[in-house]
Amino acid sequence: DTGVSQDPRHKITKRGQNVTFRCDPISEHNRLYWYRQTLGQGPEFLTYFQNEAQLEKSRLLSDRFSAERPKGSFSTLEIQRTEQGDSAMYLCASSTGYQPQHFGDGTRLSIL
Amino acid sequence: AQSVTQPDIHITVSEGASLELRCNYSYGATPYLFWYVQSPGQGLQLLLKYFSGDTLVQGIKGFEAEFKRSQSSFNLRKPSVHWSDAAEYFCAVGAAGTASKLTFGTGTRLQVTL
Repeated sequence: DTGVSQDPRHKITKRGQNVTFRCDPISEHNRLYWYRQTLGQGPEFLTYFQNEAQLEKSRLLSDRFSAERPKGSFSTLEIQRTEQGDSAMYLCASSTGYQPQHFGDGTRLSIL
Repeated sequence: AQSVTQPDIHITVSEGASLELRCNYSYGATPYLFWYVQSPGQGLQLLLKYFSGDTLVQGIKGFEAEFKRSQSSFNLRKPSVHWSDAAEYFCAVGAAGTASKLTFGTGTRLQVTL
């Protein structure tokens, strides 16, 4: 069990640029989740995959956000035309069956 | 809609003292309940979970929590706090029998004085 891996750990970009984050789940986990956490808040759900199928999306996920999990393994989260309000920690989690979600260390996004 | 309330934003305790962190949830059916801990700049680590059965659940690092359906609460306790327990603690609720999203509280920051 190597844990959930996220890359990069920290991303600094200018407003209006596109960014992409990667998440590698625990290898046997078929479910993968993305959350966003702003300062002083708990994580907020963004979207969820079972294998390669995206089964649920939050209304927080505007049309500038897109997530994929093309082969049911790793996932990417892309934000287009970044805005100041996108500054946050983006957390990925994975699970199998109905077992608890295991979280990665997150990608901290800073918008200049 | 499900929700979680953690009434205490910040708690300070002395090392060796007991600890109780409060969590109240709102959910229309049987919930799955979790406590996670987060150190600065890190992800969340699962402390314990409640799915069903015994309402007193034991977790890692000497933590325990008690599910009280009548009070819609799932408070976290530890009999003797160590300085290394200083962190942010999050309570979360999920839908029983599914594997979908978790809803988190806003967290309680624990400070431990020596």
